[in-house]
Amino acid sequence: DSGVTQTPKHLITATGQRVTLRCSPRSGDLSVYWYQQSLDQGLQFLIQYYNGEERAKGNILERFSAQQFPDLHSELNLSSLELGDSALYFCASSVDSYTGELFFGEGSRLTVL
Amino acid sequence: AQKVTQAQTEISVVEKEDVTLDCVYETRDTTYYLFWYKQPPSGELVFLIRRNSFDEQNEISGRYSWNFQKSTSSFNFTITASQVVDSAVYFCALSEAYTNAGKSTFGDGTTLTVKP
Repeated sequence: DSGVTQTPKHLITATGQRVTLRCSPRSGDLSVYWYQQSLDQGLQFLIQYYNGEERAKGNILERFSAQQFPDLHSELNLSSLELGDSALYFCASSVDSYTGELFFGEGSRLTVL
Repeated sequence: AQKVTQAQTEISVVEKEDVTLDCVYETRDTTYYLFWYKQPPSGELVFLIRRNSFDEQNEISGRYSWNFQKSTSSFNFTITASQVVDSAVYFCALSEAYTNAGKSTFGDGTTLTVKP
């Protein structure tokens, strides 16, 4: 158990819909990262927050957004969903932005029908 | 741009065999980190090791060992006396050191199957 909690574990929705994925980092970790794992693109970095502020951005679509709240939990919002958004979305946390060691949650598997 | 190549898509071995997973990387950063992660069938990614670009010492942890060679841009992972529980997908990853250390570029993974 990494200490990172993600909800929901599974989510099935329709095209055009909007969903929110939630992540609680390990106790004491200030950085939260979102990664997408899909069959065609592999593991892709989406976005990082550090202590409430956006720190780094990767290949995140404009339809996707994220935020980190004062209690350090984070949410990833996915809107206008398309079939190609079906993937496993991982949240990871680390104590800071410098060590690079990521502790991943179990992921949220999103299926868009 | 950073790139990680894991040329071996799938490897199958019999229990107690040694197995090496290859990782080759490309980066223009002068300081960087290399990682290995394990993704068992249950799905979560588990951190195994981080190596700094300025530290080329090989590392051993139990049955696991890592061989970092900067001259060939490789960071290979060897499992000695493999066990069925080692069956998983293994990912090699690369990130810029310090500032964006958690923004990792992952390889496509190597699926290791250890048969009894």
